[in-house]
Amino acid sequence: DAGVTQSPTHLIKTRGQHVTLRCSPISGHKSVSWYQQVLGQGPQFIFQYYEKEERGRGNFPDRFSARQFPNYSSELNVNALLLGDSALYLCASSGETVVTDTQYFGPGTRLTVL
Amino acid sequence: AQRVTQPEKLLSVFKGAPVELKCNYSYSGSPELFWYVQYSRQRLQLLLRHISRESIKGFTADLNKGETSFHLKKPFAQEEDSAMYYCALSGPNTGNQFYFGTGTSLTVIP
Repeated sequence: DAGVTQSPTHLIKTRGQHVTLRCSPISGHKSVSWYQQVLGQGPQFIFQYYEKEERGRGNFPDRFSARQFPNYSSELNVNALLLGDSALYLCASSGETVVTDTQYFGPGTRLTVL
Repeated sequence: AQRVTQPEKLLSVFKGAPVELKCNYSYSGSPELFWYVQYSRQRLQLLLRHISRESIKGFTADLNKGETSFHLKKPFAQEEDSAMYYCALSGPNTGNQFYFGTGTSLTVIP
């Protein structure tokens, strides 16, 4: 198993555009979580999805949305991009919820907003 | 509000010296606490969690509810311990959220 995979690796967008980031969890994992990591900071929780339902949401504006597909892969969508959205976006998968289960992280997608 | 504080952004110790990475938290109730580590050019990965009470790579961490701390310790630092360390918190009162601290970059000097 290649572990958690994310695509694309890097992305450059301009302000006002939208972006879709993708994540494939470890086989058998039903939970996917998304994090935003700004340079010099720890990862900030955005969403958790479990069995295709949103189970947790961090303090992010409605411009951020996500979904999980029947195969447990997930997309993170960000609309009306702002310069401040430039960050590393991490996806993590776990067997169950983030509250107690070990999370396995992907390599991240580096988003640059110009 | 839930919060994780790691007061040291940078920490340097000599090889063979003891190391302690500090983590303090605020949480109403019984938290689930974790240490995640990111080695150079590798992914973020779990180092240990308090619920399992095990020692990984010689590291231990004890939950001190009175001081609301979960410091990470190792008696003898090794060069391969150089990495970024993140303390993290979750629990039933977080609304299924997960909180990371800002991280401590540990450098072990040969």
